[in-house]
Amino acid sequence: DTAVSQTPKYLVTQMGNDKSIKCEQNLGHDTMYWYKQDSKKFLKIMFSYNNKELIINETVPNRFSPKSPDKAHLNLHINSLELGDSAVYFCASSQGQGSNFNEQFFGPGTRLTVL
Amino acid sequence: KQEVTQIPAALSVPEGENLVLNCSFTDSAIYNLQWFRQDPGKGLTSLLLIQSSQREQTSGRLNASLDKSSGRSTLYIAASQPGDSATYLCAAPAGGYNKLIFGAGTRLAVHP
Repeated sequence: DTAVSQTPKYLVTQMGNDKSIKCEQNLGHDTMYWYKQDSKKFLKIMFSYNNKELIINETVPNRFSPKSPDKAHLNLHINSLELGDSAVYFCASSQGQGSNFNEQFFGPGTRLTVL
Repeated sequence: KQEVTQIPAALSVPEGENLVLNCSFTDSAIYNLQWFRQDPGKGLTSLLLIQSSQREQTSGRLNASLDKSSGRSTLYIAASQPGDSATYLCAAPAGGYNKLIFGAGTRLAVHP
């Protein structure tokens, strides 16, 4: 059974387009995240939601808008795509927060290529 | 501000060797630290999570230690195998929040 799943796995699109990446977790976790891994393989957090509420919003262009319809889903919508948005985007989830925060589980990633 | 550094950046060893991967972090006010493995073109697999109250955590041939006072963690891999070839990432939480700060990783190649 897939714990954290993402769709699509690959996304190739033209500059200026709007696209969405979907994430679902079946672990019953209450916290979900989006991370970006750039071409140098460096991973950096973008957003985090806890019980559908935004709790972490790093310095990310406002073209990126996360949406959490429920605790099990966290989608990422990107407007006006730019070349620099090309990267692998990972979704993750965990149970709890603060001192009760436990390990994070990652999805397989979505490789976004902007032409 | 939490910063995570991993040494070495790359390691190539013959099969059977015991290995030590190093991770250092600047903010020792952490609740836990997590080690991941990433295979080329794949997602991250959680290997070990060490709580701040623990000094060591073991899973099979893997042993991770945590020394908060010195801001260091090590991942020990016993009797390495070609299947261990991957990038190993260390991640420490920043402040009181859940966001993980990742190191740049150690790229390990174990050859037969």
